[in-house]
Amino acid sequence: DSGVTQTPKHLITATGQRVTLRCSPRSGDLSVYWYQQSLDQGLQFLIQYYNGEERAKGNILERFSAQQFPDLHSELNLSSLELGDSALYFCASSVGTGGYGYTFGSGTRLTVV
Amino acid sequence: AQSVTQLDSHVSVSEGTPVLLRCNYSSSYSPSLFWYVQHPNKGLQLLLKYTSAATLVKGINGFEAEFKKSETSFHLTKPSAHMSDAAEYFCVVSEENSGNTPLVFGKGTRLSVIA
Repeated sequence: DSGVTQTPKHLITATGQRVTLRCSPRSGDLSVYWYQQSLDQGLQFLIQYYNGEERAKGNILERFSAQQFPDLHSELNLSSLELGDSALYFCASSVGTGGYGYTFGSGTRLTVV
Repeated sequence: AQSVTQLDSHVSVSEGTPVLLRCNYSSSYSPSLFWYVQHPNKGLQLLLKYTSAATLVKGINGFEAEFKKSETSFHLTKPSAHMSDAAEYFCVVSEENSGNTPLVFGKGTRLSVIA
């Protein structure tokens, strides 16, 4: 157990639907990062939050949004889902914002049918 | 912008023989470099990290990597492969302290270990 908790582990939904992925960071970590892993794109950085505020944005679609709550857990919202959104979504956390490595959760596997 | 290139998409070795997974990086700043491992249907685990201290970095499970600035390389090695080493390995660069995007992943190298 890495200390980063992601729920649910698996999600199957239909095109056009909306889903919410949840991440609880490791105790004491203030930064949360979201990554998407797909076969054709590899691991892509989506977005980072630090202590409740958006810190950095990567290749995140406009249909996707995220937030970090006061208790530091984070949610990634994916809407108007398309078949191409099927992927493994990882959350990672770190103490600060420095490049000292991050702890990853076990991921949420999203399948859009 | 920073980037990493993993030179081999697949490496196959026999159990007990050395492992070499190659990684070159590109960075405008002094980067932090990492190797992560992903076992099938599992999350990503940090193997080791370089953050401008010693250039030879030792990690978990007998892995080590050497930062060579002149060659912009950060190759991962292990003297003797074990069956349990079979996994996907990612070389990663970070320039987060410079304000650039957090971790940037290479496309991965799949390591197969043959008995």
